[in-house]
Amino acid sequence: DSGVTQTPKHLITATGQRVTLRCSPRSGDLSVYWYQQSLDQGLQFLIQYYNGEERAKGNILERFSAQQFPDLHSELNLSSLELGDSALYFCASSLGTGRTEAFFGQGTRLTVV
Amino acid sequence: DAKTTQPPSMDCAEGRAANLPCNHSTISGNEYVYWYRQIHSQGPQYIIHGLKNNETNEMASLIITEDRKSSTLILPHATLRDTAVYYCIVRVARGGATNKLIFGTGTLLAVQP
Repeated sequence: DSGVTQTPKHLITATGQRVTLRCSPRSGDLSVYWYQQSLDQGLQFLIQYYNGEERAKGNILERFSAQQFPDLHSELNLSSLELGDSALYFCASSLGTGRTEAFFGQGTRLTVV
Repeated sequence: DAKTTQPPSMDCAEGRAANLPCNHSTISGNEYVYWYRQIHSQGPQYIIHGLKNNETNEMASLIITEDRKSSTLILPHATLRDTAVYYCIVRVARGGATNKLIFGTGTLLAVQP
C-alpha cells in the first residue's frame, strides 16, 4: 500500500459527460501529480500541483482541469468526454522537500461508452 | 530532463539475478536516476534512486557507472512476482517542488519459472 488513495477505482460514463477523479496523497506529501495511461500509450504526465499551486503542466487537454485543495487532496475534472479518454488515471504524491520519491495510487479506470 | 534508453524486453530465470540496464548519456550533474516498475495495470511502484553512488535497499541494488552515463538495476533473486515493466527515469530532485517523472517505454522483464 503506497498510502495514496484514488477514488473511484472504476468509472463508466457516456460520451459528452463530465467526471471527477479524486486523489488523497500520502500524509505530509505536498506535491500531487496526475498521469494518464491509455491502452496504446505509455504513462503520460498531465499536471502537477505543489501545496495548492499548479507547478507543471504536461499533455493535458483543455477539457481537463485539476486542482489541489487546502487539505492537499486533489481532483482531476474531465469534461466533454470522448471515447479516446478511456484510460487509467494515476495520481502520485511526493513530499516535495527532502525525500523526493513519488508514490502512486492504484488508479481510476475510466471507460467512456 | 535527460533521455534514457532501455531494452524493450528481457527474460530472467526465477531465482537468478535480473540485471536491467539503462543508458542516460546526457545526464546532468544534478540529475538523479530513479527506477520504478509497473505490474500489469497497477500503479507504478518506486524501487530505488541514486545520484552517483551505488545504492541498495530491500528491493534492489542500483549500480551507476563512474561517468554516470549508464546504470544497472539488479534484482538479486527474481521471482515470478517481479514480472513487470521497469522504468529508468532521470530527473532533477530539489526541495520545494520535485520535478515530475517522465516515463519512457521501459523494459518488460519476464521472469520464467
